Amino acid sequence: NAGVTQTPKFRILKIGQSMTLQCAQDMNHNYMYWYRQDPGMGLKLIYYSVGAGITDKGEVPNGYNVSRSTTEDFPLRLELAAPSQTSVYFCASLLDRGNPLNTEAFFGQGTRLTVV
Amino acid sequence: GDSVTQMEGPVTLSEEAFLTINCTYTATGYPSLFWYVQYPGEGLQLLLKATKADDKGSNKGFEATYRKETTSFHLEKGSVQVSDSAVYFCALITDNYGQNFVFGPGTRLSVLP
Repeated sequence: NAGVTQTPKFRILKIGQSMTLQCAQDMNHNYMYWYRQDPGMGLKLIYYSVGAGITDKGEVPNGYNVSRSTTEDFPLRLELAAPSQTSVYFCASLLDRGNPLNTEAFFGQGTRLTVV
Repeated sequence: GDSVTQMEGPVTLSEEAFLTINCTYTATGYPSLFWYVQYPGEGLQLLLKATKADDKGSNKGFEATYRKETTSFHLEKGSVQVSDSAVYFCALITDNYGQNFVFGPGTRLSVLP
């Protein structure tokens, strides 16, 4: 059981370039999330999805886009990279918030992105 | 909206010292509460959780009790080790539709030998 898999682990982008951060989970979780973690700071929610075909903005969505065509995959797209997007990005998935006994978020290892 | 407040770090302790990291929350629904730990260079891992008032979550010598009357979920460990050095995040989730996992800012713990 692989859990939550993020790729790539590291990436350096030039200003204005675009890229997609990949996230896949094999646990059949319905909820998935993208967070960013800036140095010395906590997690800020970028986008989330409650199921295939449904996405919503989080706290800091500007400059990002997401899609959820399947239950397993939740890619995060940066269209025009800016230095302010230098951060560590974490993807997470969660099974069923309705049952607290089954509620636990599983995190990927993170993608460290630098925009220069 | 829902929120989580944690004591500011960094916290520096000597090995075998007692640890407390304070966490308080504000929630509109009835939340489940969590502590996550992030070791250097890794993602977050669940440390412990509690799903109802007066529940005590425990794992690896860490404990936290869900106190509804004080809206708190303080993390404690009787004797810390160097290997406990990490960032600790308090978090909550409610059953309100559209609500998500809400994390505190994290508290960095450094344990010195």
